[in-house]
Amino acid sequence: QQQVKQSPQSLIVQKGGIPIINCAYENTAFDYFPWYQQFPGKGPALLIAIRPDVSEKKEGRFTISFNKSAKQFSLHIMDSQPGDSATYFCAATQANSGGSNYKLTFGKGTLLTVNP
Amino acid sequence: DVKVTQSSRYLVKRTGEKVFLECVQDMDHENMFWYRQDPGLGLRLIYFSYDVKMKEKGDIPEGYSVSREKKERFSLILESASTNQTSMYLCASSLWGGSNTEAFFGQGTRLTVV
Repeated sequence: QQQVKQSPQSLIVQKGGIPIINCAYENTAFDYFPWYQQFPGKGPALLIAIRPDVSEKKEGRFTISFNKSAKQFSLHIMDSQPGDSATYFCAATQANSGGSNYKLTFGKGTLLTVNP
Repeated sequence: DVKVTQSSRYLVKRTGEKVFLECVQDMDHENMFWYRQDPGLGLRLIYFSYDVKMKEKGDIPEGYSVSREKKERFSLILESASTNQTSMYLCASSLWGGSNTEAFFGQGTRLTVV
């Protein structure tokens, strides 16, 4: 059962465009929603994150929009650059069964290519 | 800077071999994780550990085991490697605490089982 559904699988935009990556979830126990960015040959790294009590969070050119009622969230990249070409993963965190710790559940990833 | 180091970048093993993937972190993090990454499937959690000698199964533990004898080191063991375990394996660590703790990843080990 896929707990975090991510789309599209791949995305190509021109420099300056605004790519949008969407994620949806079913589990209302999720309480933190990070996005990770992965460059080829590297491990993923935290890019930006949001809690469900906030509808939008912006850090530089990256914005998360969150719709709690629809259980959806999305990543927007303003004025995209070739250096933004990477794989992007949305994720969600929930407590483990004992409530003592948390694990990340990832979407399947979106390969973004920004052409010059 | 937090550093998560995986012992090998590339590994080629034969079917049936016992395989050890090692991961070390230098920031005194309580939590450590093993994920595998496959095209089109994203990152799937194999096992995680929140303390020395403690472990919990993730979403795909079958065919794997783990060992955490020291806080900084988390090993993934493939008891009898099979070709369907050919994948990129990623180790991560994070502080124990709230849901908003950041996970730091190593660079990955690309394992090929022939």
